[in-house]
Amino acid sequence: SQQGEEDPQALSIQEGENATMNCSYKTSINNLQWYRQNSGRGLVHLILIRSNEREKHSGRLRVTLDTSKKSSSLLITASRAADTASYFCATEETSGSRLTFGEGTQLTVNP
Amino acid sequence: GAVVSQHPSRVICKSGTSVKIECRSLDFQATTMFWYRQFPKQSLMLMATSNEGSKATYEQGVEKDKFLINHASLTLSTLTVTSAHPEDSSFYICSATRDFSYEQYFGPGTRLTVT
Repeated sequence: SQQGEEDPQALSIQEGENATMNCSYKTSINNLQWYRQNSGRGLVHLILIRSNEREKHSGRLRVTLDTSKKSSSLLITASRAADTASYFCATEETSGSRLTFGEGTQLTVNP
Repeated sequence: GAVVSQHPSRVICKSGTSVKIECRSLDFQATTMFWYRQFPKQSLMLMATSNEGSKATYEQGVEKDKFLINHASLTLSTLTVTSAHPEDSSFYICSATRDFSYEQYFGPGTRLTVT
C-alpha cells in the first residue's frame, strides 16, 4: 500500500449531514494538506496542518492529525450539494518538498 | 493571489505525434514547478520536479526521453509528450511554488487524448 491512503473511497450523504474522510500515511512528514478537485478540473488547496499541530479549523472544515497513528481526518460540517467533489490528502515528507497524494475520496452530497 | 495557468486545456492528437503543454505562473515567480499525471478516477502521480534553469528530476518509472520538461524561466515550464501513444492519454496537471513557501499552486490541468 502507498503513502496517503484514504477511506472511504466513496461517500454519499444528504445535504446538511457531516462528511468525514480519513487519510493514513507511512513516513515522517512536515505537513499534511487536503485538496478538493471537481470532476475534470484542477486542485484547490483547502487546508494545511503541520506535523506539530493536532487540529485546525477553516470555516466548515475541521482537520485533525495524529502523528503517532500517522493519520488525519477531514470533517466537512453541514454539507452542501456544492461540496460534491473528490477530496485528496497529500503529505509533504521531511525529506523534501514533494507532495504524495492519497487515493482520494469521492464525496457526493445529495440535495 | 497565486494563479497558475495551463495551455491548452484540452488536446487531441494522433498516435506518434508530439504535444507540448505549457504551465505558467501568472502573478508570481515560481522557483519550482511540478508535473503530475492523473488517470480517470485515480490520484495524482508526480512525474517530475523542475527548477528554473536546471534539469528536471524525474520520478522512478517516468521516461525522461518521452516526457521532456523545460523550465526556461521563472514563470514558464513546458511538458512535451513525444511520440504520444493512446496509453499516454491522461489528465496532466502542473503546480508551482514560490520561494520560502510550502504551498503548491495548481493549474487547471490539460486533458490529453491520443487517438
